[in-house]
Amino acid sequence: DAGITQSPRHKVTETGTPVTLRCHQTENHRYMYWYRQDPGHGLRLIHYSYGVKDTDKGEVSDGYSVSRSKTEDFLLTLESATSSQTSVYFCAISEGLRGANRGRHEQFFGPGTRLTVL
Amino acid sequence: AQSVTQLGSHVSVSEGALVLLRCNYSSSVPPYLFWYVQYPNQGLQLLLKYTSAATLVKGINGFEAEFKKSETSFHLTKPSAHMSDAAEYFCAVSGRGSQGNLIFGKGTKLSVKP
Repeated sequence: DAGITQSPRHKVTETGTPVTLRCHQTENHRYMYWYRQDPGHGLRLIHYSYGVKDTDKGEVSDGYSVSRSKTEDFLLTLESATSSQTSVYFCAISEGLRGANRGRHEQFFGPGTRLTVL
Repeated sequence: AQSVTQLGSHVSVSEGALVLLRCNYSSSVPPYLFWYVQYPNQGLQLLLKYTSAATLVKGINGFEAEFKKSETSFHLTKPSAHMSDAAEYFCAVSGRGSQGNLIFGKGTKLSVKP
């Protein structure tokens, strides 16, 4: 199994509070991703990173920010949590390739964080 | 741009019966295709992937999928279902030369009846 951990695994918070989720990898993979999973929607990409300090937005980035100061850590922050951000959040990693082979490698997923915003 | 459609949010089969989970994709560039499985309260695990080599791809746990360009399909099959196959299955696509972002289908929940 790929070495990916997520913390915390469960969190309950109140509307308006800031929340930070952490993803940590031991594989030295270049790409890291944050997804949210909601019933009937599958997984949707929030943000991703293609290197230290290199990040970009995904499909559902509003209300979220990310940071990657080290290869192994990718943080997802909800600046002011809302009830619509209640979800299960998954981190994923991928080796990533360059040029025409980009996109070829599978992503490996962490165990997830269940976030409830009251 | 890429998209994935999984036909049937729920599929129920009897133990020992054929499993067929359908996935159709749309991609403006040659695609890479993936099937993932998710057991309750767990992350996603890769079942198999198509990366433009053989069109019939074999994966773990006896699953396989066939890439059919003419039908833009990548259906997942298993000849004989086991109770342990009960899970949710996701098809995903990424595009060759892209950043590698996966576009997921909405998932198909497989139930296996004894």
